[in-house]
Amino acid sequence: AQSVTQPDIHITVSEGASLELRCNYSYGATPYLFWYVQSPGQGLQLLLKYFSGDTLVQGIKGFEAEFKRSQSSFNLRKPSVHWSDAAEYFCAVAIGSNSNYQLIWGAGTKLIIKP
Amino acid sequence: DAGVIQSPRHEVTEMGQEVTLRCKPISGHNSLFWYRQTMMRGLELLIYFNNNVPIDDSGMPEDRFSAKMPNASFSTLKIQPSEPRDSAVYFCASSLGGNIQYFGAGTRLSVL
Repeated sequence: AQSVTQPDIHITVSEGASLELRCNYSYGATPYLFWYVQSPGQGLQLLLKYFSGDTLVQGIKGFEAEFKRSQSSFNLRKPSVHWSDAAEYFCAVAIGSNSNYQLIWGAGTKLIIKP
Repeated sequence: DAGVIQSPRHEVTEMGQEVTLRCKPISGHNSLFWYRQTMMRGLELLIYFNNNVPIDDSGMPEDRFSAKMPNASFSTLKIQPSEPRDSAVYFCASSLGGNIQYFGAGTRLSVL
């Protein structure tokens, strides 16, 4: 069955430190992968996506993610976090075909920034 | 484009009352999704529509929940009768094809 695992429920990093959020997926076909961010009281916003091609994808707000097929992973990174990055981050994989897809979501990782 | 518009933003009601949540998707999008988010269960897909047709409603908790999409620019999620355990944030998202989804700001529902 298709699934997405985000093994870290919470992560705490100091402002200015680097960040890596882990995501592993289980899907038989070539995956379409996503990272979304949810700030408190807000809806989810797309950070970045991988469909094909270069396995290192750049997103908004200085985030990037690397698709590693051999590890079934799509980890999110940022070289230096800012206090405004405190939010919950969701990884997702699209399943389906022929313009009829739905997303399978991870449980989310809450990012806490220490001043 | 104004994005996905949900109304109301907040709803407080008493147990047993009918609740109707509304969603206007992004113009031109052909897929619409209703999600529920709680601390205990995280983000759950309730139902999704493709070209106004319900494709998968397996996430709808029980018969008290129903969703309609009478046209491409409007959808409703109805709970009748509501119960305290329905308290959650309900999100609507729309997409062209379903992979990149754009979310509304959500409706925070409190059932007393």
